[in-house]
Amino acid sequence: GEDVEQSLFLSVREGDSSVINCTYTDSSSTYLYWYKQEPGAGLQLLTYIFSNMDMKQDQRLTVLLNKKDKHLSLRIADTQTGDSAIYFCAETPFNDYKLSFGAGTTVTVRA
Amino acid sequence: DAMVIQNPRYQVTQFGKPVTLSCSQTLNHNVMYWYQQKSSQAPKLLFHYYDKDFNNEADTPDNFQSRRPNTSFCFLDIRSPGLGDAAMYLCATSKLPGQPYEQYFGPGTRLTVT
Repeated sequence: GEDVEQSLFLSVREGDSSVINCTYTDSSSTYLYWYKQEPGAGLQLLTYIFSNMDMKQDQRLTVLLNKKDKHLSLRIADTQTGDSAIYFCAETPFNDYKLSFGAGTTVTVRA
Repeated sequence: DAMVIQNPRYQVTQFGKPVTLSCSQTLNHNVMYWYQQKSSQAPKLLFHYYDKDFNNEADTPDNFQSRRPNTSFCFLDIRSPGLGDAAMYLCATSKLPGQPYEQYFGPGTRLTVT
């Protein structure tokens, strides 16, 4: 099975906040990432957080990291129709540079 | 714009007929990766080149091979495609060493096996 787990679907109303959750198993992971995949496109890095941080904010995006529970979340404020996509959580284990991905959360923004 | 390009975007091949997927990059990154992504699943790393060094994942079938003739190009060869090989194939690059290990992805090639 995968080491990184995400819920598969999220539906949110335009203008509301979206929260996408992820759990990971490698407590020694150095970096944790959120990637976005729009239909027919490759993955695009949205943001990342270093493992010694609890929170990172970048415009409409807020990443929260709970190391004790190995829980990562991505909050998108004021969700827009252009935010409809698949969001992947990923980690790089300690002493490695390869990414380990979750299965992705499909976010659907409804009017 | 610097980017990762994959050709073709859609590829149809017959069962057992060899097929090659292409990836090129203008980023001058030294690492290139090939992922397989099936519907509703995480991208699965098949192998990667770190400079000229080829690194195969332990569970990548022998049916999958790769070539990197120069820094800019990398190819994925599927010697005898089976129906189970139908998937999206993603190429990615990164510049190492250097954290936070960001990878840049191409748009993918969707492979159909008939």
